[in-house]
Amino acid sequence: QSALTQPASVSGSPGQSITISCTGTSSNVGSYDLVSWYQQHPGKAPKLMISEGNKRPSGVSNRFSGSKSGNTASLTISGLQAEDEADYYCCSYAGSSTYVFGTGTKVTVL
Amino acid sequence: QVQLVQSGGEVKKPGASVKVSCEASGYTFTSYGISWVRQAPGLGLEWMGWLSSYNGNTNYAQKFQGRVTMTTDTPTSTAYMELRSLRSDDTAVYYCARIQPNTDAFDLWGQGTMVTVSS
Repeated sequence: QSALTQPASVSGSPGQSITISCTGTSSNVGSYDLVSWYQQHPGKAPKLMISEGNKRPSGVSNRFSGSKSGNTASLTISGLQAEDEADYYCCSYAGSSTYVFGTGTKVTVL
Repeated sequence: QVQLVQSGGEVKKPGASVKVSCEASGYTFTSYGISWVRQAPGLGLEWMGWLSSYNGNTNYAQKFQGRVTMTTDTPTSTAYMELRSLRSDDTAVYYCARIQPNTDAFDLWGQGTMVTVSS
């Protein structure tokens, strides 16, 4: 399985909204409502931010939201804050207990 | 406390094997699957394989088939990942992650284990 495609970088000013796309195929993103998103700060383990495309785990800010259309999933961060500066990865279930991650996006808060 | 605690960093020579452990606590080990994910320096996350903590079934990414073995020890709530025939490009941080049932999201991660392959 090839990695899901994400933009290498996205930036925004504090308070703005940004959207990160995650493009897969009909074998992964397009076939399952099982896309998850992870935030990773330097030197830290990833943290689950969104599951099943649009569900936030307990404790995750409601500034984070997810959606999907066809083979592309998206993560939107509203009201951008300095602490949101991190790398973000999407991941999709791909059938038969297999998974595929996205290429990763570096979010910069200007 | 719900957590996954991994073994310490390793330095190996090319051609050697490494076995990383991941001890679960604070939840029912057999109720959740485990995946192993690695991250080479400066690069992205790479899914390596899935392990059922319930019955030991596995499914490995094609890239690692024949070179990786994932196992569990239920009495100690520990998952293991062994990677053989190490190469320099296997240098990475290796993470174990708990799989949330029905959502297939990785909701709990270990702290990571740095494996360095160098002659």
